Amino acid sequence: GQQVMQIPQYQHVQEGEDFTTYCNSSTTLSNIQWYKQRPGGHPVFLIQLVKSGEVKKQKRLTFQFGEAKKNSSLHITATQTTDVGTYFCAYTNTGNQFYFGTGTSLTVIP
Amino acid sequence: GAVVSQHPSWVICKSGTSVKIECRSLDFQATTMFWYRQFPKQSLMLMATSNEGSKATYEQGVEKDKFLINHASLTLSTLTVTSAHPEDSSFYICSATGWSTDTQYFGPGTRLTVL
Repeated sequence: GQQVMQIPQYQHVQEGEDFTTYCNSSTTLSNIQWYKQRPGGHPVFLIQLVKSGEVKKQKRLTFQFGEAKKNSSLHITATQTTDVGTYFCAYTNTGNQFYFGTGTSLTVIP
Repeated sequence: GAVVSQHPSWVICKSGTSVKIECRSLDFQATTMFWYRQFPKQSLMLMATSNEGSKATYEQGVEKDKFLINHASLTLSTLTVTSAHPEDSSFYICSATGWSTDTQYFGPGTRLTVL
């Protein structure tokens, strides 16, 4: 599958600061999903976006799907130590296989 | 709901031996199961997709004779790493989707160490 790049690769923030990770594809995606993986754990599904320009919120998390459906972002407001982990975007192709982005590792400094 | 288990959670084996990893959907019927490999500090790489009762579809670069996948029932898929070598040491994670293919549910992963 094509590679979906995420930036930044690593991010250290002070607790209470905001955090954003970006997911970029060179081609149009039918959907985008976001997962969180805690250190030593497995990915946990957060959300799926399907529509162009879609914005969804989950408490302090805001997810966006770009108008061209080639990029997406995850924004966390006022980070907490429980937000620590690696955030992956993922997409499915026509065969319903899932391909993951490169991930952004978030460290929150108390 | 939507719980996926993996067994074993970790395994250490000698080079040249084979290791079988089981992935089970506990409370739903998994029409499709996926096997991923994740090296430290890297992303999940899809190895293969398996549908119940049919042969698995392997991603490019994944040796089907080395990573044998069997999906004999709607609740069980197995991955066998044959003739394991140290470079096969990795975190192997399965996931499953039910009749709705939008969401995949991950197992807790199996950490394989080949000595």
